[in-house]
Amino acid sequence: DQQVKQNSPSLSVQEGRISILNCDYTNSMFDYFLWYKKYPAEGPTFLISISSIKDKNEDGRFTVFLNKSAKHLSLHIVPSQPGDSAVYFCAASVGGSNYKLTFGKGTLLTVNP
Amino acid sequence: NAGVTQTPKFQVLKTGQSMTLQCAQDMNHNSMYWYRQDPGMGLRLIYYSASEGTTDKGEVPNGYNVSRLNKREFSLRLESAAPSQTSVYFCASTELGMNTEAFFGQGTRLTVV
Repeated sequence: DQQVKQNSPSLSVQEGRISILNCDYTNSMFDYFLWYKKYPAEGPTFLISISSIKDKNEDGRFTVFLNKSAKHLSLHIVPSQPGDSAVYFCAASVGGSNYKLTFGKGTLLTVNP
Repeated sequence: NAGVTQTPKFQVLKTGQSMTLQCAQDMNHNSMYWYRQDPGMGLRLIYYSASEGTTDKGEVPNGYNVSRLNKREFSLRLESAAPSQTSVYFCASTELGMNTEAFFGQGTRLTVV
């Protein structure tokens, strides 16, 4: 049973436009959400996170929105750049300093020049 | 600053052989983790060590053992490799828990034939 779902395996956008990556979750106990970015042949790198007490968190070009009632979160990248082309993983955890993160399958974002 | 270093980067094993994947971090982090990533799948937690001297099972621990040698090093051992263990393995570390930014190594691509 997949608790964190990224239903779009891939997304293609034009440079300068907005990229919206979506993530749905089924476990209502999740209270902390993170996005990781992964380039080929590298390990994932942390991008942005959000606690369930918030509905939005912004860091430069990256904004994460959380809709708890819909159990949905999204990552907005504005403006998109070719260097943003990577696999983006949504992840979620339960509790405070939790050690178990549940990852989605990832979405491959391609930003075309 | 090296961050998280994994060795080896690539390995081919025959079924039944054993090997140890090494991981070291230089950030003085308390917690360390081993994940595997399979095609079309998110990262799945194999084992983690919340702090020096402790280890716990993650989502997919069968067929693996771990050792937290000291605060810096966390190794993953395959005692009798199976083709189902063909995967890319990532080591990660955090200051405390996965709700803080995790730093990942570059990965070990393991093929079991």
